Amino acid sequence: GAVVSQHPSWVICKSGTSVKIECRSLDFQATTMFWYRQFPKQSLMLMATSNEGSKATYEQGVEKDKFLINHASLTLSTLTVTSAHPEDSSFYICSAARGRGSTDTQYFGPGTRLTVL
Amino acid sequence: TQLLEQSPQFLSIQEGENLTVYCNSSSVFSSLQWYRQEPGEGPVLLVTVVTGGEVKKLKRLTFQFGDARKDSSLHITAAQPGDTGLYLCAGVKPSGTYKYIFGTGTRLKVLA
Repeated sequence: GAVVSQHPSWVICKSGTSVKIECRSLDFQATTMFWYRQFPKQSLMLMATSNEGSKATYEQGVEKDKFLINHASLTLSTLTVTSAHPEDSSFYICSAARGRGSTDTQYFGPGTRLTVL
Repeated sequence: TQLLEQSPQFLSIQEGENLTVYCNSSSVFSSLQWYRQEPGEGPVLLVTVVTGGEVKKLKRLTFQFGDARKDSSLHITAAQPGDTGLYLCAGVKPSGTYKYIFGTGTRLKVLA
């Protein structure tokens, strides 16, 4: 299989605090990991792409200083939402792919629901 | 910018009925994936199609990739309540990038 886990599955925090979300590929090595956010009843929007050992590539309109991504190993990527505000409340989903090619399937984690009060 | 439009957006049908979901674009894709997502969970891969005109079957689900690789369809035969969920198509553009472009989504509800 290709299992991807996320931790935590949900988190509630106060406005102004930072929150870290972990994404792990459990049974394969992920050269590339992706971070998405999904608002209620909407599709997934790509936030950034991270390759192990290099800086993440952010999509247009996504603040790299607010959403810090670290891909320190082939099985772990983290997304830190810094100085979170209520508008950052969303469902954050990561995915992992074995390679960097266009035919590499992305396997998705179960998501993390962030609520900022 | 949403490059992949799905239709219909919402669909509520009775158990046993057939349905088709469409995923359309003006762009060419090197591959296209279909996922199903349940509330509060991540998307689960159903199928990947890569060849124009390709047809793949997964039990009661039939997936087709358009000849020009710009569109795809998902047909469900004899829908069951367990088919309820959000269906998402996701395409990869043949421009050297491996990023997915997700469709707008189709929310299906199958009533018992």
